[in-house]
Amino acid sequence: EAGVAQSPRYKIIEKRQSVAFWCNPISGHATLYWYQQILGQGPKLLIQFQNNGVVDDSQLPKDRFSAERLKGVDSTLKIQPAKLEDSAVYLCASSLDRQGANEQFFGPGTRLTVL
Amino acid sequence: AQSVTQLDSQVPVFEEAPVELRCNYSSSVSVYLFWYVQYPNQGLQLLLKYLSGSTLVESINGFEAEFNKSQTSFHLRKPSVHISDTAEYFCAVRGYSSASKIIFGSGTRLSIRP
Repeated sequence: EAGVAQSPRYKIIEKRQSVAFWCNPISGHATLYWYQQILGQGPKLLIQFQNNGVVDDSQLPKDRFSAERLKGVDSTLKIQPAKLEDSAVYLCASSLDRQGANEQFFGPGTRLTVL
Repeated sequence: AQSVTQLDSQVPVFEEAPVELRCNYSSSVSVYLFWYVQYPNQGLQLLLKYLSGSTLVESINGFEAEFNKSQTSFHLRKPSVHISDTAEYFCAVRGYSSASKIIFGSGTRLSIRP
């Protein structure tokens, strides 16, 4: 079965510019997650979708970050405008459903560098 | 709320030596426990998990972890490491509720010397 796909793999932008990341989860997975992984830290959840609805966005900086999963399949995460501290790897993950015991499957991530 | 502490940011070991990666957690509710591995330039992969039952869980590539409720620990061990085990290892916890989010530790980088 195909894994979680993400693009682009790398992105370099200047501060105050905008950027968007795309994620295609494993087919049939209802739950989709976006994580931010800053160098030297573990992944931190930004937003969680159940189908096309937002379940948890409590740690999403909503003044600059937005995410959508319009058809309940693939998803985009946008940053506008970017700040230096947004430099990180953005990971997308998916799972069958929201049950805590279910494994989350991660994509390779998008490494963002903000100059 | 839950938190995870991985005390060692880096662990260098020689090939074929044993290794232990330490993980301690805190939580006011019962939790599931996970170890994820991140190989260079790859995404995270689940290595093993504790849900219930036997406190000793094993992975297919020789790692094992033991859930110790009294010490709130979930240390990862392997009796003999291989060069291919070079990676970053993340301990994580998640509450039973479907509303609970997974909380990751800061990771331990395991480097294997020949």
